[in-house]
Amino acid sequence: SQTIHQWPATLVQPVGSPLSLECTVEGTSNPNLYWYRQAAGRGLQLLFYSVGIGQISSEVPQNLSASRPQDRQFILSSKKLLLSDSGFYLCAWRGRARGTGYNSPLHFGNGTRLTVT
Amino acid sequence: AQSVTQPDIHITVSEGASLELRCNYSYGATPYLFWYVQSPGQGLQLLLKYFSGDTLVQGIKGFEAEFKRSQSSFNLRKPSVHWSDAAEYFCAVASGRENQGGKLIFGQGTELSVKP
Repeated sequence: SQTIHQWPATLVQPVGSPLSLECTVEGTSNPNLYWYRQAAGRGLQLLFYSVGIGQISSEVPQNLSASRPQDRQFILSSKKLLLSDSGFYLCAWRGRARGTGYNSPLHFGNGTRLTVT
Repeated sequence: AQSVTQPDIHITVSEGASLELRCNYSYGATPYLFWYVQSPGQGLQLLLKYFSGDTLVQGIKGFEAEFKRSQSSFNLRKPSVHWSDAAEYFCAVASGRENQGGKLIFGQGTELSVKP
């Protein structure tokens, strides 16, 4: 069966420090991968998605970047964190099905709570 | 552009009472719709999905949702709420084709509280 792992679960970082959040998926190949951010009391905002190794699409201009160095690995990074980067970060994956791509659900990890101080 | 609106930010119901969470979407074609639930500090769990066919779809944990094209709605219902249903609920619509990421657009969420 497929599983998704996100780490760390919680993180407290000072303003101006770098960030690296990692997400890996097991039990599937060539998934679509997504990073969402959930700010306190708000919905989910899509930050990045990837349809393949090295292919990253950014949804909103921001202080963050994403990379996909391997098929089932998705990394969210920042060179210098801002206070506004605080939030709950969720990684998700979607499997591929021939001819049915965008009607399969997303499967989410347990998230990383990031607090920038 | 696709969008999802959940008009109720917070709803409180008594345990055993019925529940309906509202969701309205904006989409130019036949939508692919989802409901997810999130417990505090956790990821999202899929409750149910609608792609086509029967407009009343059944999900896990006793939830169901009805797709109404004329009202652009996909409301979530449960006949009898349990205390463990207290959580945040998100409605979502699939956006774009596979080569554009097939991403989901989420509503702002509805927080459900359950009174004993």
